[in-house]
Amino acid sequence: EPEVTQTPSHQVTQMGQEVILRCVPISNHLYFYWYRQILGQKVEFLVSFYNNEISEKSEIFDDQFSVERPDGSNFTLKIRSTKLEDSAMYFCASSDLGTTQYFGPGTRLLVL
Amino acid sequence: KNEVEQSPQNLTAQEGEFITINCSYSVGISALHWLQQHPGGGIVSLFMLSSGKKKHGRLIATINIQEKHSSLHITASHPRDSAVYICAVNRGTSGSRLTFGEGTQLTVNP
Repeated sequence: EPEVTQTPSHQVTQMGQEVILRCVPISNHLYFYWYRQILGQKVEFLVSFYNNEISEKSEIFDDQFSVERPDGSNFTLKIRSTKLEDSAMYFCASSDLGTTQYFGPGTRLLVL
Repeated sequence: KNEVEQSPQNLTAQEGEFITINCSYSVGISALHWLQQHPGGGIVSLFMLSSGKKKHGRLIATINIQEKHSSLHITASHPRDSAVYICAVNRGTSGSRLTFGEGTQLTVNP
């Protein structure tokens, strides 16, 4: 069964460093999303991407964040200068007709 | 106030019990989702509802649009059902973001 994959599974970085989180959505899907979950809190929306552009973003998704679909398969989230409060589990999701969203296993980011 | 509220926050049951988890929302929605989050963190979609009722195995999800309320039922619960169950809503058109509830931690004891 097709699935969303994410790499790396864990990342530890120093405050101020740039990180790139990678996702491979399900191949025929058209809508892509990034969510995050700070430990002990609920899942929060970051950004959605459709037709090669951002379709929606939250107030969390400030200038430190960017997304790209550099080729036909990958979907990346870049954090330019990480802060302590960026420590969270980051989930990528995709959907075909904008209905059921399929989630990746997540990347656990720890900023020291 | 959260746009999506779940109850209870925590639920402990004995194997075989019938379980109900509730979700209320305060905004207009196009669809409601029930998700399961495993202890390792992975999230699996269980149901997407815009009206009525859906059933998959021992899981049943219902929604009442007028009352802005949904329930997730688990019949004949089993320890492997232990997980966090999350209610989330689509507020806009297809492809729109999900807004999540806090989740319900379910523990089923043998």
